[in-house]
Amino acid sequence: DVVMTQSPPSLPVTLGQPASISCRSSQSLVYSDGNTYLNWFQQRPGQSPRRLIYKVSNWDSGVPDRFSGSGSGTDFTLKISRVEAEDVGVYYCMQGTHWPITFGQGTRLEIK
Amino acid sequence: QVQLVQSGAEVKKPGASVKVSCKASGYTFARFGMSWVRQAPGQGLEWMGWISPYDGKTHYAQRLQGRVTMTTDTSTNTAYMELRSLRSDDTAVYYCARDPWYHQERSGWLTQGGQYYFDYWGQGTLVTVSS
Repeated sequence: DVVMTQSPPSLPVTLGQPASISCRSSQSLVYSDGNTYLNWFQQRPGQSPRRLIYKVSNWDSGVPDRFSGSGSGTDFTLKISRVEAEDVGVYYCMQGTHWPITFGQGTRLEIK
Repeated sequence: QVQLVQSGAEVKKPGASVKVSCKASGYTFARFGMSWVRQAPGQGLEWMGWISPYDGKTHYAQRLQGRVTMTTDTSTNTAYMELRSLRSDDTAVYYCARDPWYHQERSGWLTQGGQYYFDYWGQGTLVTVSS
């Protein structure tokens, strides 16, 4: 199975400051069709996961542009340019290139 | 608009079975797969398996093989996940999520595209296993 390793596990951030979450995979996530199936999800307390970013760097509809995704191969990053109160929750990366689909263990973002 | 609406919470005894439903609307059900994901209390997300509503093809996570069965009813656009021989560590919220991969017997593996990968989720179904 592809292991997805996120860091840090917990991320205290001051409102208005930037935040960055790293996600590393144990093998390349480039699929045979040339796509890299790496998604980012936000899960607010008591809610279902919500996809923010698909295929490394593509925004989902309605996602604020302060969120951005980058990376390639085995190394990926989710950045929030200026954290707002509504960003509190747990963030997960997910790879869909290899079966079984696997998730990172999550990064809990909290306001300092 | 796309919606995935799941059945209500369940309480089961160890050794019992549970069947969770996920009714899809707002898209062509047979042209997308459906994955199931679970989340134990305070824990992360675990992928359980996938089904292609087009021909019923399935792929299950190794650790659940033999205990899980996923099915669909294309007449009602509903996906089902049944988990048997329940244990206390099966206590979790169970989610369905739309998957872009589906299978057709003649054409093989097809996809609607990576932009549809887990783009919609159900609201979750809490399954509690307790004696």
